[in-house]
Amino acid sequence: QKEVEQDPGPLSVPEGAIVSLNCTYSNSAFQYFMWYRQYSRKGPELLMYTYSSGNKEDGRFTAQVDKSSKYISLFIRDSQPSDSATYLCAMSAESGANNLFFGTGTRLTVIP
Amino acid sequence: DAGITQSPRHKVTETGTPVTLRCHQTENHRYMYWYRQDPGHGLRLIHYSYGVKDTDKGEVSDGYSVSRSKTEDFLLTLESATSSQTSVYFCAIRAGVSSGNTIYFGEGSWLTVV
Repeated sequence: QKEVEQDPGPLSVPEGAIVSLNCTYSNSAFQYFMWYRQYSRKGPELLMYTYSSGNKEDGRFTAQVDKSSKYISLFIRDSQPSDSATYLCAMSAESGANNLFFGTGTRLTVIP
Repeated sequence: DAGITQSPRHKVTETGTPVTLRCHQTENHRYMYWYRQDPGHGLRLIHYSYGVKDTDKGEVSDGYSVSRSKTEDFLLTLESATSSQTSVYFCAIRAGVSSGNTIYFGEGSWLTVV
């Protein structure tokens, strides 16, 4: 069993839709959670960074962590064609850990 | 922009030849990383460095070596490339405490071993 599971999609939504991207994990020691966005043929770019349980909002993006269920989510409101990318979740047990555990990514397409 | 430059960005090489990928950073970060990304596996850590001449192995280090003779440069070497090393390689740095100790990636180096 992989430490982090992520539905690879692909996921297609119309412009303006609310998108929900999710990851589950097995290691209860994970406390630091990240979402990266990766455009085609580019490097991953950090989108959201959260610690422990709860919600964090940044513009149209909301990251949610439910440690009791070992489940994290990224919500995108009013999705735009420019949001079309692969979204990777990542997590670690310690701040500044040298090895992050990544999901395999969910490919999202927002249709104009 | 984390100030990371990878070279070469694209390379095709033959099985059995040595290959070196270079990562250059401009912001004096102590920690540097090499990851590979493959379909179905996601990003996996190859090696990392925590200072000049200080390196350690990651999850998938077999067949790879690294060197860091200067703070700004982190080299990844495939001593004898194999087809299983065809992949996209990403260099990364760890930002400081003020940036949440988070990891930022370069643009990638696409390597094909034929």
